[in-house]
Amino acid sequence: KAGVTQTPRYLIKTRGQQVTLSCSPISGHRSVSWYQQTPGQGLQFLFEYFSETQRNKGNFPGRFSGRQFSNSRSEMNVSTLELGDSALYLCASRWTVIGPLHFGNGTRLTVT
Amino acid sequence: DQQVKQNSPSLSVQEGRISILNCDYTNSMFDYFLWYKKYPAEGPTFLISISSIKDKNEDGRFTVFLNKSAKHLSLHIVPSQPGDSAVYFCAAPEGGSNYKLTFGKGTLLTVNP
Repeated sequence: KAGVTQTPRYLIKTRGQQVTLSCSPISGHRSVSWYQQTPGQGLQFLFEYFSETQRNKGNFPGRFSGRQFSNSRSEMNVSTLELGDSALYLCASRWTVIGPLHFGNGTRLTVT
Repeated sequence: DQQVKQNSPSLSVQEGRISILNCDYTNSMFDYFLWYKKYPAEGPTFLISISSIKDKNEDGRFTVFLNKSAKHLSLHIVPSQPGDSAVYFCAAPEGGSNYKLTFGKGTLLTVNP
């Protein structure tokens, strides 16, 4: 069974631009979560989607948004990029509302 | 305020010896804990978990111990192997559900041959 797939792996953007990251969960998994990893703050929860509905959102500004499609694939969008948005963005999926999260390898975003 | 703390940023052990990674938490509502392992350029991989109704959970070379009164858990790896060299994260879900994990900042384990 294929794991969680995130594209692209690496991205370089300029301040003020916007970016869209993509995540394909493990087949059959309906829940998709997004996390941001930075050296200073560690891993922080962004949001989670289940059956196309956002169930919860972390403490991030409104520039961070996401959505989930009917096939459970998810996208995350960051608008008006800031230097501090440079991070590893990790997507994770799971089958139901319980059980461990399975992470993808992340998208490394660099904002210059 | 960090609710899950891993106070040792790094740990170095010899191959074959025991590795002990520690984690403290402050939120007494946490009732389930997970350990993840992360290699460079890869996402975290689930390793082992423990519910608060237990004080120990074992899976092969990996054992997690939970001391609820001290709000402390530890991951023991015996025997340690060079392939275990990675960053280990302790995590706990908020709100009784697994979807919003609070992670510690991780401990880099280096196992020397």
